[in-house]
Amino acid sequence: DTGVSQNPRHKITKRGQNVTFRCDPISEHNRLYWYRQTLGQGPEFLTYFQNEAQLEKSRLLSDRFSAERPKGSFSTLEIQRTEQGDSAMYLCASSYLRGGSYEQYFGPGTRLTVT
Amino acid sequence: AQRVTQPEKLLSVFKGAPVELKCNYSYSGSPELFWYVQYSRQRLQLLLRHISRESIKGFTADLNKGETSFHLKKPFAQEEDSAMYYCALSGHQGTALIFGKGTTLSVSS
Repeated sequence: DTGVSQNPRHKITKRGQNVTFRCDPISEHNRLYWYRQTLGQGPEFLTYFQNEAQLEKSRLLSDRFSAERPKGSFSTLEIQRTEQGDSAMYLCASSYLRGGSYEQYFGPGTRLTVT
Repeated sequence: AQRVTQPEKLLSVFKGAPVELKCNYSYSGSPELFWYVQYSRQRLQLLLRHISRESIKGFTADLNKGETSFHLKKPFAQEEDSAMYYCALSGHQGTALIFGKGTTLSVSS
């Protein structure tokens, strides 16, 4: 499978614990995005990278959230001191320029449950 | 404010009926508009981009800047079209997508 992959697919954690998710983009894609999706809502943007540079962060992204893409390939999203409100599906996408626009390809997501 | 509105949570039609999934947007500037689809137990995938003006799986969408709309249409629905559809916009090339809340399309025979 040459698509975007995410690990783990599911994570259950207790409130207050730290969690880290990984995203492996499609290899030739230079942009990588993180989104969060809760029930009944569309995905909400969190942050994105071009190569290893973090270009934009949403105001939704509290200080407990941090993302990295150290070598411009895979990315990690860490949530410190998790809260029940962090329970959501975390989606990763990658993109490249095609035909004048960037098409974002999504991974399967990591479902986080905070108990 | 930048916003995408999909007014219908659920649209139920019979096989062979026409389908129109509505999408309105609010954006100061010239956004790029997209439709994404999520079939049951599958990941989100791109269906259409306004910039390419193509027809995918019989679906088309026309950007109406005057009405700030990007409705998705198909003349004859098929059962395999049943899925969740999201309209999304991007402010300028390659930046974050802003999604609507989605519309579930249910096609029955």
